Amino acid sequence: GAVVSQHPSWVICKSGTSVKIECRSLDFQATTMFWYRQFPKQSLMLMATSNEGSKATYEQGVEKDKFLINHASLTLSTLTVTSAHPEDSSFYICSADLAGGGTDTQYFGPGTRLTVL
Amino acid sequence: DAKTTQPTSMDCAEGRAANLPCNHSTISGNEYVYWYRQIHSQGPQYIIHGLKNNETNEMASLIITEDRKSSTLILPHATLRDTAVYYCIVRGYGQNFVFGPGTRLSVLP
Repeated sequence: GAVVSQHPSWVICKSGTSVKIECRSLDFQATTMFWYRQFPKQSLMLMATSNEGSKATYEQGVEKDKFLINHASLTLSTLTVTSAHPEDSSFYICSADLAGGGTDTQYFGPGTRLTVL
Repeated sequence: DAKTTQPTSMDCAEGRAANLPCNHSTISGNEYVYWYRQIHSQGPQYIIHGLKNNETNEMASLIITEDRKSSTLILPHATLRDTAVYYCIVRGYGQNFVFGPGTRLSVLP
Protein backbone atom coordinates (compact mmCIF):
# COMPACT_ATOMS: atom_id res chain seq x y z
CA GLY A 1 0.00 0.00 0.00
CA ALA A 2 0.83 3.72 -0.04
CA VAL A 3 2.29 3.84 -3.54
CA VAL A 4 3.13 7.11 -5.24
CA SER A 5 4.01 7.33 -8.91
CA GLN A 6 5.62 10.06 -10.98
CA HIS A 7 5.64 10.65 -14.69
CA PRO A 8 7.88 11.03 -16.54
CA SER A 9 10.81 9.38 -14.81
CA TRP A 10 13.21 11.50 -16.81
CA VAL A 11 12.95 14.32 -19.30
CA ILE A 12 15.38 16.29 -21.43
CA CYS A 13 14.25 19.61 -22.79
CA LYS A 14 15.61 22.71 -24.46
CA SER A 15 16.14 25.92 -22.57
CA GLY A 16 13.04 28.09 -22.58
CA THR A 17 10.51 25.29 -22.82
CA SER A 18 8.07 24.18 -20.12
CA VAL A 19 7.95 20.75 -18.56
CA LYS A 20 5.08 19.17 -16.65
CA ILE A 21 5.63 16.46 -14.05
CA GLU A 22 2.75 14.41 -12.67
CA CYS A 23 2.52 12.91 -9.21
CA ARG A 24 -0.17 10.37 -8.37
CA SER A 25 -1.11 8.53 -5.20
CA LEU A 26 -2.19 5.15 -6.54
CA ASP A 27 -3.91 3.47 -3.61
CA PHE A 28 -4.86 6.28 -1.28
CA GLN A 29 -6.19 9.79 -1.36
CA ALA A 30 -3.93 12.64 -0.40
CA THR A 31 -5.25 16.02 0.60
CA THR A 32 -1.69 17.25 0.75
CA MET A 33 1.19 16.54 -1.58
CA PHE A 34 4.70 17.93 -1.54
CA TRP A 35 7.33 18.76 -4.12
CA TYR A 36 11.03 18.47 -3.40
CA ARG A 37 14.15 19.14 -5.41
CA GLN A 38 17.48 17.39 -5.02
CA PHE A 39 20.74 18.52 -6.58
CA PRO A 40 23.66 16.10 -6.98
CA LYS A 41 25.25 15.04 -3.71
CA GLN A 42 22.77 17.11 -1.72
CA SER A 43 19.76 16.26 0.36
CA LEU A 44 16.12 16.84 -0.51
CA MET A 45 14.86 20.40 -0.27
CA LEU A 46 11.16 21.14 0.04
CA MET A 47 9.92 23.42 -2.71
CA ALA A 48 6.21 23.64 -2.02
CA THR A 49 3.21 22.13 -0.32
CA SER A 50 0.27 21.35 -2.55
CA ASN A 51 -3.24 21.23 -1.11
CA GLU A 52 -6.14 19.79 -3.05
CA GLY A 53 -8.41 22.52 -4.32
CA SER A 54 -6.33 25.44 -3.10
CA LYS A 55 -3.18 27.31 -3.94
CA ALA A 56 0.17 25.80 -3.17
CA THR A 57 2.40 27.12 -0.42
CA TYR A 58 5.94 27.80 -1.60
CA GLU A 59 9.11 27.73 0.48
CA GLN A 60 11.24 30.80 0.72
CA GLY A 61 13.31 31.34 -2.40
CA VAL A 62 11.14 29.21 -4.68
CA GLU A 63 9.55 31.22 -7.49
CA LYS A 64 5.85 30.44 -7.64
CA ASP A 65 5.52 31.80 -11.17
CA LYS A 66 8.27 29.54 -12.39
CA PHE A 67 7.18 26.36 -10.61
CA LEU A 68 3.45 26.08 -11.16
CA ILE A 69 1.66 23.55 -8.98
CA ASN A 70 -1.84 22.25 -9.51
CA HIS A 71 -3.54 19.79 -7.16
CA ALA A 72 -6.83 19.23 -8.93
CA SER A 73 -7.82 15.97 -7.28
CA LEU A 74 -7.06 13.91 -4.21
CA THR A 75 -4.77 11.65 -6.21
CA LEU A 76 -3.01 13.99 -8.61
CA SER A 77 -0.67 16.94 -8.31
CA THR A 78 1.32 18.42 -11.15
CA LEU A 79 4.46 20.55 -11.19
CA THR A 80 5.16 22.62 -14.29
CA VAL A 81 8.61 24.11 -14.68
CA THR A 82 8.05 27.10 -16.91
CA SER A 83 10.72 28.53 -19.19
CA ALA A 84 13.22 26.00 -17.94
CA HIS A 85 16.90 26.88 -17.86
CA PRO A 86 19.98 24.72 -17.29
CA GLU A 87 20.10 25.70 -13.62
CA ASP A 88 16.67 24.05 -13.19
CA SER A 89 18.22 20.69 -14.04
CA SER A 90 17.66 18.57 -10.97
CA PHE A 91 15.92 15.56 -9.50
CA TYR A 92 12.32 16.44 -8.66
CA ILE A 93 10.52 14.26 -6.15
CA CYS A 94 6.94 14.40 -4.96
CA SER A 95 5.37 12.92 -1.88
CA ALA A 96 1.83 12.36 -0.67
CA ASP A 97 0.66 12.63 2.90
CA LEU A 98 -1.21 9.77 4.57
CA ALA A 99 -2.63 10.24 8.04
CA GLY A 100 -3.16 7.43 10.51
CA GLY A 101 -2.21 6.14 13.93
CA GLY A 102 -2.05 9.58 15.47
CA THR A 103 0.37 11.02 13.00
CA ASP A 104 0.91 11.41 9.27
CA THR A 105 3.54 9.92 7.01
CA GLN A 106 4.78 11.02 3.62
CA TYR A 107 5.22 8.47 0.88
CA PHE A 108 7.52 9.47 -1.93
CA GLY A 109 7.44 8.97 -5.66
CA PRO A 110 10.38 7.58 -7.59
CA GLY A 111 11.47 11.01 -8.80
CA THR A 112 11.82 12.76 -12.14
CA ARG A 113 15.22 13.70 -13.47
CA LEU A 114 15.05 16.91 -15.46
CA THR A 115 17.89 17.92 -17.75
CA VAL A 116 17.65 21.28 -19.45
CA LEU A 117 20.02 21.79 -22.37
CA ASP B 1 17.56 22.92 9.90
CA ALA B 2 17.45 19.22 10.64
CA LYS B 3 16.85 18.39 14.29
CA THR B 4 18.95 15.25 14.14
CA THR B 5 22.60 14.27 13.86
CA GLN B 6 23.75 11.08 12.20
CA PRO B 7 27.15 9.67 11.28
CA THR B 8 28.16 10.54 7.76
CA SER B 9 28.82 6.98 6.70
CA MET B 10 28.89 3.40 7.96
CA ASP B 11 29.90 0.02 6.63
CA CYS B 12 28.22 -3.28 7.40
CA ALA B 13 29.01 -6.82 6.35
CA GLU B 14 26.36 -8.59 4.32
CA GLY B 15 24.19 -10.81 6.52
CA ARG B 16 25.06 -8.94 9.68
CA ALA B 17 22.84 -6.50 11.54
CA ALA B 18 23.21 -2.86 10.59
CA ASN B 19 22.71 -0.49 13.51
CA LEU B 20 22.27 3.13 12.48
CA PRO B 21 22.30 5.69 15.29
CA CYS B 22 20.56 9.04 15.42
CA ASN B 23 20.75 11.79 18.01
CA HIS B 24 17.78 14.07 18.55
CA SER B 25 18.43 15.67 21.92
CA THR B 26 15.96 18.54 21.38
CA ILE B 27 12.98 16.36 20.47
CA SER B 28 9.63 17.56 21.78
CA GLY B 29 7.04 15.39 23.48
CA ASN B 30 4.73 15.27 20.48
CA GLU B 31 7.38 14.70 17.84
CA TYR B 32 7.85 11.36 16.15
CA VAL B 33 11.07 9.79 14.89
CA TYR B 34 10.90 8.75 11.24
CA TRP B 35 13.37 6.80 9.18
CA TYR B 36 13.58 6.86 5.40
CA ARG B 37 16.20 5.59 3.02
CA GLN B 38 17.16 6.66 -0.46
CA ILE B 39 18.76 4.31 -2.88
CA HIS B 40 20.74 6.04 -5.60
CA SER B 41 18.59 7.95 -8.11
CA GLN B 42 15.32 6.94 -6.45
CA GLY B 43 12.83 8.69 -4.21
CA PRO B 44 13.04 8.15 -0.46
CA GLN B 45 11.46 4.98 0.87
CA TYR B 46 9.59 5.01 4.17
CA ILE B 47 11.01 2.52 6.66
CA ILE B 48 9.50 3.02 10.07
CA HIS B 49 8.47 5.61 12.63
CA GLY B 50 7.85 5.75 16.37
CA LEU B 51 6.99 8.05 19.25
CA LYS B 52 8.44 6.45 22.37
CA ASN B 53 7.94 2.72 22.17
CA ASN B 54 10.20 0.46 20.18
CA GLU B 55 8.73 -0.47 16.83
CA THR B 56 9.29 -3.34 14.43
CA ASN B 57 8.03 -4.05 10.95
CA GLU B 58 9.04 -6.26 8.06
CA MET B 59 11.90 -3.95 7.13
CA ALA B 60 13.51 -2.90 10.38
CA SER B 61 13.33 -2.26 14.09
CA LEU B 62 13.41 1.15 15.74
CA ILE B 63 14.81 1.42 19.24
CA ILE B 64 14.14 4.73 21.01
CA THR B 65 15.89 5.50 24.29
CA GLU B 66 13.77 6.14 27.34
CA ASP B 67 14.63 9.85 27.36
CA ARG B 68 13.89 9.92 23.60
CA LYS B 69 17.09 11.82 22.90
CA SER B 70 18.42 9.18 20.57
CA SER B 71 17.34 6.20 18.54
CA THR B 72 18.77 3.34 16.53
CA LEU B 73 17.48 1.83 13.34
CA ILE B 74 18.29 -1.85 13.07
CA LEU B 75 18.34 -3.79 9.81
CA PRO B 76 18.58 -7.34 11.19
CA HIS B 77 20.22 -9.03 8.22
CA ALA B 78 21.69 -6.48 5.83
CA THR B 79 21.87 -7.30 2.14
CA LEU B 80 23.65 -5.54 -0.69
CA ARG B 81 20.32 -3.98 -1.66
CA ASP B 82 20.23 -2.16 1.67
CA THR B 83 23.09 0.07 0.52
CA ALA B 84 21.55 3.54 0.62
CA VAL B 85 21.47 6.87 2.42
CA TYR B 86 19.41 6.59 5.59
CA TYR B 87 17.63 9.64 6.94
CA CYS B 88 16.48 10.07 10.53
CA ILE B 89 13.84 12.81 10.81
CA VAL B 90 12.07 14.22 13.83
CA ARG B 91 8.80 16.00 13.28
CA GLY B 92 5.38 16.54 14.75
CA TYR B 93 2.01 15.98 13.15
CA GLY B 94 1.57 18.19 10.10
CA GLN B 95 5.10 19.58 10.21
CA ASN B 96 7.40 19.49 7.21
CA PHE B 97 9.92 16.70 6.80
CA VAL B 98 13.39 18.25 6.92
CA PHE B 99 16.05 16.04 5.39
CA GLY B 100 19.60 16.32 6.69
CA PRO B 101 22.59 14.69 5.01
CA GLY B 102 21.75 11.26 6.46
CA THR B 103 24.05 8.27 6.88
CA ARG B 104 25.47 6.57 3.83
CA LEU B 105 25.33 2.84 4.61
CA SER B 106 27.50 0.58 2.52
CA VAL B 107 26.77 -3.13 2.82
CA LEU B 108 29.90 -5.03 1.89
CA PRO B 109 29.97 -8.57 0.46
